[in-house]
Amino acid sequence: DTGVSQDPRHKITKRGQNVTFRCDPISEHNRLYWYRQTLGQGPEFLTYFQNEAQLEKSRLLSDRFSAERPKGSFSTLEIQRTEQGDSAMYLCASSLGQRSDGYTFGSGTRLTVV
Amino acid sequence: GDSVTQMEGPVTLSEEAFLTINCTYTATGYPSLFWYVQYPGEGLQLLLKATKADDKGSNKGFEATYRKETTSFHLEKGSVQVSDSAVYFCALSEAAGNKLTFGGGTRVLVKP
Repeated sequence: DTGVSQDPRHKITKRGQNVTFRCDPISEHNRLYWYRQTLGQGPEFLTYFQNEAQLEKSRLLSDRFSAERPKGSFSTLEIQRTEQGDSAMYLCASSLGQRSDGYTFGSGTRLTVV
Repeated sequence: GDSVTQMEGPVTLSEEAFLTINCTYTATGYPSLFWYVQYPGEGLQLLLKATKADDKGSNKGFEATYRKETTSFHLEKGSVQVSDSAVYFCALSEAAGNKLTFGGGTRVLVKP
């Protein structure tokens, strides 16, 4: 068990560019979540998958954001036409989906839009 | 909708002092409650959890009791160490067991 891995750790991009982040969850976990955390705030839910199905999306997830989990394993989060307001830490987490479980978080991808 | 409110920081303490971080929640159902900790430069880690009323979660000397009547889940530690300096997040997960709703976090600084 190597935990939840996220790549890259840091990304600096120019406004208007597209970026893609990857998350590799714990292998036996069927649920995968994406959160966004801005400086000094708690993480905010973006979306989650159960296996390959995307079951819920937050209103925070505008049409510039898209997430996939094509084979029920790793997931990608793409942001198109980035804006400065997209600058944040993007966190991925996975779980077995039981109510009493905690979630295992990755170390996050820090995005800076300049 | 669901929400979590926790006391604002920073909280500055001396080593061996008693720590309390207040957390209250609003939920439509019967949520599970969690405390997560984020050490400097590291990711979020689950510290403790409680899944039903009157349950007490505990780990690393920290404790929190699920109080349904006051909708609270306050975090306590009797004697803090410098290594407890971190940001602490209270969170809940509704009965459906999907997303977590977090509080804003409380930064704790323990001085020697």
